[in-house]
Formats: sequence, structure tokens, C-alpha cells
Amino acid sequence: NAGVTQTPKFRILKIGQSMTLQCTQDMNHNYMYWYRQDPGMGLKLIYYSVGAGITDKGEVPNGYNVSRSTTEDFPLRLELAAPSQTSVYFCASKSAIRHKRSREELFFGEGSRLTVL
Amino acid sequence: GQQLNQSPQSMFIQEGEDVSMNCTSSSIFNTWLWYKQDPGEGPVLLIALYKAGELTSNGRLTAQFGITRKDSFLNISASIPSDVGIYFCAGHFNTNAGKSTFGDGTTLTVKP
Repeated sequence: NAGVTQTPKFRILKIGQSMTLQCTQDMNHNYMYWYRQDPGMGLKLIYYSVGAGITDKGEVPNGYNVSRSTTEDFPLRLELAAPSQTSVYFCASKSAIRHKRSREELFFGEGSRLTVL
Repeated sequence: GQQLNQSPQSMFIQEGEDVSMNCTSSSIFNTWLWYKQDPGEGPVLLIALYKAGELTSNGRLTAQFGITRKDSFLNISASIPSDVGIYFCAGHFNTNAGKSTFGDGTTLTVKP
């Protein structure tokens, strides 16, 4: 299994451009999340999804959009990129099965490093 | 929203020394998790704690779920160079739609 796969790994955008960060998982996980990580800071939740067709805002959703048309894919859309969106973005997934050990474990992708100039 | 205070922010230690870091919260959690992030990678789960007072080990790592449910600590014994990285605590409350709240991380540097 590949786990959680994010693309691209690196991207430079100009102010005002748009782009989509792709995330796919092959573990049949219901829950998926997008986090951003700024230097010296923890992970801030942008958006999350508890299943196909269901998405909700996290702590820092402004400037982003998501969709969840399938269980496997959870793309993050940046509209009108701003320098404040320069960050490392992590996609993560989690099983909805409640009885297993490590049931709250998040599985992370390797990250997408975005610079907005 | 829920806030986690993780300390220390960074640590510089000699190989072989023991390390201790902790997280405190203003809210209670049902689950505490400790992750490690290697440079250029995503975080990976080290230890998960599900009951107040629980003490769990994973090799040289030991973590405890505080009895008040508002804190947790992680100890690393006899540190080695590959322990270098950022350690994150995360708290989870069962009715929180699957969302975990993360601390800001402890950056560990181990000098050989």
C-alpha cells in the first residue's frame, strides 16, 4: 500500500494564481484532513471530511476550498494565492473503525511545500 | 477552540541523555497521541494513550496520560542521533468529528 500520496511536493506560485494540491489514500479511510504547518508552529487544520460528499471547515479555512467526490481523493484548492499561504501542507487520513487499537492514528502524506511570491 | 501548550519548544542534548517533554491543555481529552516528524517528512505516530493515568512504552519511549485528562508527557531514554526531529503532542475528544488538536512541537537536537 502507498498510504497517503500528495502531489506536487514543491510548487512556487505568483500572487493571485490558483492551484490544486492533490491527495489520495489507498487505505479505505473515511476521514481525511488538510493541515498547514508554518515554521515553529504546530499543525493547523484547514478542512476535513468524514466521508465522500461531506466536508467541513477547520481552524484556518479562509482562502481554501475542498471537495470529496470519492473515498480516496481529497484535493485542496487555493484560489487567488497570497504570501500568507506560503507553508507546508499535509494531507492525512484516519480509519473510522472505533474498536481497533491506535484508532485515532492519523496517517500523513510527505507534504507539499508551497511558496507564494 | 482547544489550545495545547507543548514544552519545551526546543532541546539540545548529548547522545545518551534522557529527554522529557510535556503538553497541557485547558480542556480535557479522551485520547493523547505523540507523533514524530523527521525532516522533510510527515508526522508518524509514536504512542497513543486512551485512558487517564495510562502509562505506555514503545522501546526507549514512555508516555503517560495525565490523571486530570488535561496533560501528557513523553520521555525518551538514552537518546541516539536518529531521535532528532520534531515531536508533536495531539489531543482528541471523541465527539469532535474525528479532529485532533496539535501542540506546536518540540524540536530535538542530539549531539553525538
